[in-house]
Amino acid sequence: IQMTQSPSTLSASVGDTVTITCRASQSISSWLAWYQQKPGEAPKLLIYKASRLESGVPSRFSGSGSGTDFTLTISGLQPDDFATYYCQQYNDYWTFGQGTKLEIK
Amino acid sequence: QITLKESGPTLVKPTQTLTLTCTFSGFSLYTNGVAVGWIRQPPGKALEWLALIYWDDDKRYSPSLKSRLTITKDSSKNQVVLSMTNMDPVDTATYYCAHNIRESYWDPRYSSYYFYYYMDVWGKGTTVTVSS
Repeated sequence: IQMTQSPSTLSASVGDTVTITCRASQSISSWLAWYQQKPGEAPKLLIYKASRLESGVPSRFSGSGSGTDFTLTISGLQPDDFATYYCQQYNDYWTFGQGTKLEIK
Repeated sequence: QITLKESGPTLVKPTQTLTLTCTFSGFSLYTNGVAVGWIRQPPGKALEWLALIYWDDDKRYSPSLKSRLTITKDSSKNQVVLSMTNMDPVDTATYYCAHNIRESYWDPRYSSYYFYYYMDVWGKGTTVTVSS
């Protein structure tokens, strides 16, 4: 299963609301996770089962979608949110998207 | 608290075999429903899933790398080991291990449970360079 994220790079300002899209090459139901990765660090789980917020993750992060189309929304960007975001399907083996780098405008 | 730590050589030569160890705490691979996986990330590139081992010693491998990978566990030592043969410079990457958590789904059409695993806690990673 191939995972395609868009955009590859996203420029935004603190306080903005941004949306990252992830598309699967075939239906994965809701078996999708979102990770945040900062330079030099391991990925951190944000969302699992498409829309469930991992414990301790701020509520400004939200996920939606099912089947083949999914979104990660960050409402009210904070300085700590500028990072790279990956989607990952776990319906059939495990596959990551190519990543979306969220930059400060 | 779950923690994982990767260890192994930082430099390997082309054609050599890489052996990495993931040492973990806060959970046990004797426990039903637990799994540990390996993921890598070449410099500046995306994450790539490599392999996973379940509590019952069942294993899964990336289809594209299956012939080169072996994953094993020593539950008594809280360790998972990944071996990758015939290393090449393109295998230069940061290698991560991760705890996998299980979700269950009941399908009433088939009166069966299905299980899905995702990575919830990651180690900090270990960087491996392949060069002569």
